[in-house]
Amino acid sequence: DADVTQTPRNRITKTGKRIMLECSQTKGHDRMYWYRQDPGLGLRLIYYSFDVKDINKGEISDGYSVSRQAQAKFSLSLESAIPNQTALYFCATSDNRGWETQYFGPGTRLLVL
Amino acid sequence: AQKVTQAQTEISVVEKEDVTLDCVYETRDTTYYLFWYKQPPSGELVFLIRRNSFDEQNEISGRYSWNFQKSTSSFNFTITASQVVDSAVYFCALRDYTGNQFYFGTGTSLTVIP
Repeated sequence: DADVTQTPRNRITKTGKRIMLECSQTKGHDRMYWYRQDPGLGLRLIYYSFDVKDINKGEISDGYSVSRQAQAKFSLSLESAIPNQTALYFCATSDNRGWETQYFGPGTRLLVL
Repeated sequence: AQKVTQAQTEISVVEKEDVTLDCVYETRDTTYYLFWYKQPPSGELVFLIRRNSFDEQNEISGRYSWNFQKSTSSFNFTITASQVVDSAVYFCALRDYTGNQFYFGTGTSLTVIP
């Protein structure tokens, strides 16, 4: 089984709808991240969390919210989806050792019509 | 501020050619960590290699090699005898001393033509 899972893998929604993307991990890591990827822009950080009680905004948090329900679960919500939130979304985890890499989920392709 | 620049947006090579992907970084930290990731057409992100700022030793792994030079703040990636399966987007990333965040370049899209 994959260490980092994301659901759904693909989602089509309409402008104004509220949607939630979910991420679960079995790596036992404290740190979890949400990124979005747009062509030519690389990965941009939306939110990150170092433990259940710690949530931090990233570079592009406007229009998004997150919930860390447990060490293993980190959800990203779009309160009122808009077309420019169409992107590929990645969840990632890492431990707190500086040299450790991030482990990414498979990604969620979101299309907002 | 931390920053990673991958100036090459797209590269195309013919199979069996060598290709180098450039990565230049900016940081004021003396301790930091550098990474390369591969994103094949299927979309997942695959970790390739990491380097810490104290280890400038170059590394070779099969057809892949990495050249880390602190003097030029570069961490370049070379694929020797490229293959079609190497076609992907490659990302360079920097992790700061605190380990709190990763900073990604905008990626280089590599196409290997058979």
